[in-house]
Amino acid sequence: GAGVSQSPSNKVTEKGKDVELRCDPISGHTALYWYRQSLGQGLEFLIYFQGNSAPDKSGLPSDRFSAERTGGSVSTLTIQRTQQEDSAVYLCASSPLVGDRGYPSTDTQYFGPGTRLTVL
Amino acid sequence: AQSVTQLDSHVSVSEGTPVLLRCNYSSSYSPSLFWYVQHPNKGLQLLLKYTSAATLVKGINGFEAEFKKSETSFHLTKPSAHMSDAAEYFCVVSDGSSASKIIFGSGTRLSIRP
Repeated sequence: GAGVSQSPSNKVTEKGKDVELRCDPISGHTALYWYRQSLGQGLEFLIYFQGNSAPDKSGLPSDRFSAERTGGSVSTLTIQRTQQEDSAVYLCASSPLVGDRGYPSTDTQYFGPGTRLTVL
Repeated sequence: AQSVTQLDSHVSVSEGTPVLLRCNYSSSYSPSLFWYVQHPNKGLQLLLKYTSAATLVKGINGFEAEFKKSETSFHLTKPSAHMSDAAEYFCVVSDGSSASKIIFGSGTRLSIRP
């Protein structure tokens, strides 16, 4: 079946512009994560959505970053007034169910191929 | 606070020889530990996980890892490398408290020489 998809695969923008990155999770997955992967770095947690609960936004690096998830499915990550340090690969993952610790355990995450953002 | 350190940013081995990718962690709690693989232009895929059961964990594609609490290590090994193993590998630690506390290492790029 279809996996997690992200669009666009590549985005080049000018400093100061706003960008929107889209994630289509696997159908039926209740949880959705956004991560940022900078060159030579591990994944940095950004935000987590679980069903109708309030999202965990603790990883968002500044108020220029926001995300929403409409209808419990598609999610959009918006970066306003982009800066060169925002250049990175943005990864989305979804998960099918809540684990026994109250949130989906890592092994059930399914990752998309990412969006490579370049801010000139 | 949790942390994870992948000791080598790049490892190169010959096809058919053993693979060792090193990972050390720090956690205040009994952690769960994972290895993920990322092939070029592909999403991350879970290789294996440790969640306080057997300390020697077997994963997909012939990989395995051993949890050593005394050494705070979770090194990934494979007896015989294959060309298709060339990829980026991430060690991950989670204390189970929240989604934001899943910490990824900086990655090790594995190259396989013919």
